Amino acid sequence: ELKVEQNPLFLSMQEGKNYTIYCNYSTTSDRLYWYRQDPGKSLESLFVLLSNGAVKQEGRLMASLDTKARLSTLHITAAVHDLSATYFCAARGSNTGKLIFGQGTTLQVKP
Amino acid sequence: NAGVTQTPKFQVLKTGQSMTLQCAQDMNHNSMYWYRQDPGMGLRLIYYSASEGTTDKGEVPNGYNVSRLNKREFSLRLESAAPSQTSVYFCASSWGSNQPQHFGDGTRLSIL
Repeated sequence: ELKVEQNPLFLSMQEGKNYTIYCNYSTTSDRLYWYRQDPGKSLESLFVLLSNGAVKQEGRLMASLDTKARLSTLHITAAVHDLSATYFCAARGSNTGKLIFGQGTTLQVKP
Repeated sequence: NAGVTQTPKFQVLKTGQSMTLQCAQDMNHNSMYWYRQDPGMGLRLIYYSASEGTTDKGEVPNGYNVSRLNKREFSLRLESAAPSQTSVYFCASSWGSNQPQHFGDGTRLSIL
């Protein structure tokens, strides 16, 4: 059974600092998604990672995938307040095709 | 520019009442999904429809039924609501099961 765990679950950081959110999954997955959710809002797709070594970047966010370690990371560079949100990773089970979400990481960027 | 539209946005029910949550998408997507979101647990898949005419159970289907009415619409029904079903419900759609999902704004459901 595919399980997805994120850490940390809560992250408070200063503007300008760098940090990484980790997403581990337990069994084979054929793609890994990152989503952003603002409070009381819907989920917005950020990245889709398809293969080992895949790296995608948009603005201050960079996501990577290591399928051998069953690990994806979301790296935040020089954080700004606008990045404050909850970030979810989700892994698609290779056998089931279903998307399993992590618990979410709530990021708070302080001035 | 509608995307995925969910109705209603908010609802309060009494235990034992029934309710249907509506979802419609205008992107001609084949696959549609219902999730529930509870604090600290991420999103959990209730039911999904890979294509028109098919539905399958997700992680937490008990207490729910679904109908894929046509390609655009996918409804979620609570036959006899229970307090444990208090949650935020999201509908999503995608071209196929391996494509990024687009989410609606959610329905906040409270059961007293």
